[in-house]
Amino acid sequence: GAVVSQHPSWVICKSGTSVKIECRSLDFQATTMFWYRQFPKQSLMLMATSNEGSKATYEQGVEKDKFLINHASLTLSTLTVTSAHPEDSSFYICSARDLGAGNPIQYFGAGTRLSVL
Amino acid sequence: GENVEQHPSTLSVQEGDSAVIKCTYSDSASNYFPWYKQELGKRPQLIIDIRSNVGEKKDQRIAVTLNKTAKHFSLHITETQPEDSAVYFCAASIRGGTGTASKLTFGTGTRLQVTL
Repeated sequence: GAVVSQHPSWVICKSGTSVKIECRSLDFQATTMFWYRQFPKQSLMLMATSNEGSKATYEQGVEKDKFLINHASLTLSTLTVTSAHPEDSSFYICSARDLGAGNPIQYFGAGTRLSVL
Repeated sequence: GENVEQHPSTLSVQEGDSAVIKCTYSDSASNYFPWYKQELGKRPQLIIDIRSNVGEKKDQRIAVTLNKTAKHFSLHITETQPEDSAVYFCAASIRGGTGTASKLTFGTGTRLQVTL
């Protein structure tokens, strides 16, 4: 099946710094990628839909200036957590759909565990 | 928007027994229902999915049933094994046409424990 690579897998940063997370579709093109946040023992909450070449669509309650999304190519979307604070600590996961495959399956990255000190 | 409820939140079964997880959705326009398995600290992996034009789908020990009228769908795992232990998430979306990708709304998850 399609492969989605996410990097880094783990990051620890100081409060006030910014962290960039990359999501790549390795063997297919993804005009749309999705960014989720997952707290321990909880479900995946969609943060935003990343659209190649246009602005991301954010879910209600998600601060777009806090979580910057860039989808500059058909295989790469980035999520930047700006001025991170301890409450931003979480597991962030991206997903992508291979539209060329003609099916609605979303493939997930391995996730990024962010710890803000 | 769509709301997906999932039950139970935890489920413990003995090896060899069957496990059933149920989900309900609110948006009658939803037409695609995948199930994902997530092991601790790992990525969600698709295990089976069903589209609204089908009532049941089976893949070896895993099956999914869909009742569009009642707006609920269920995951059935037979002959459970210890390696089935994980968190299972149901999801619902409106499948768009070619060139569109609709977002998934996830259920709250079921932690399945298969004991020896």
